[in-house]
Amino acid sequence: ETGVTQTPRHLVMGMTNKKSLKCEQHLGHNAMYWYKQSAKKPLELMFVYNFKEQTENNSVPSRFSPECPNSSHLFLHLHTLQPEDSALYLCASSPRGSGRGGTDTQYFGPGTRLTVL
Amino acid sequence: AQKITQTQPGMFVQEKEAVTLDCTYDTSDPSYGLFWYKQPSSGEMIFLIYQGSYDQQNATEGRYSLNFQKARKSANLVISASQLGDSAMYFCAMREGQTGANNLFFGTGTRLTVIP
Repeated sequence: ETGVTQTPRHLVMGMTNKKSLKCEQHLGHNAMYWYKQSAKKPLELMFVYNFKEQTENNSVPSRFSPECPNSSHLFLHLHTLQPEDSALYLCASSPRGSGRGGTDTQYFGPGTRLTVL
Repeated sequence: AQKITQTQPGMFVQEKEAVTLDCTYDTSDPSYGLFWYKQPSSGEMIFLIYQGSYDQQNATEGRYSLNFQKARKSANLVISASQLGDSAMYFCAMREGQTGANNLFFGTGTRLTVIP
């Protein structure tokens, strides 16, 4: 297993359901990210975790709840979503997640295509 | 204001030809990094190339090169010898260095289609 993996790849859920997205990175990185990609819009950063600590919450509604039990795993718990939450949810990781300068390139997983009915 | 602007929603290029994808950025931070990613229809964002604001030379990675013009605040991606597998969405992104955070700001992307 290499890189960043995400499961499931596709998810259809009703507005009253509770589901979770999972992300796992095999790169030894210390930072992990959740992004939302909607049609015709730039990628939107949702959450950032550095060494398991949340360092960024980009005004995301509380119906999205992240969890980072360790530096290799990241979850996004979903409940009572709205149809406008349908999008591609991308997870990424980077070596350090903060600090001035440097590349600190983010590497992405394949995404979870979420449809909310 | 948009931090990253990609003005070409779609581009076409003949196989084996070169193509330039435009990107302009807006920042007052003297330290920043610029990235290009490729997103095939499968969805994964694939890192292509990086340019730091203090780098003296334009970045190159195989068939990819970045035409960095600091005064114009542009960071165009040049793909040489296009291949059919290059057909994808291409995103320009920027990280501002002074804040210490690693937030990436993305453009809206350019869809590249390589014609056989």
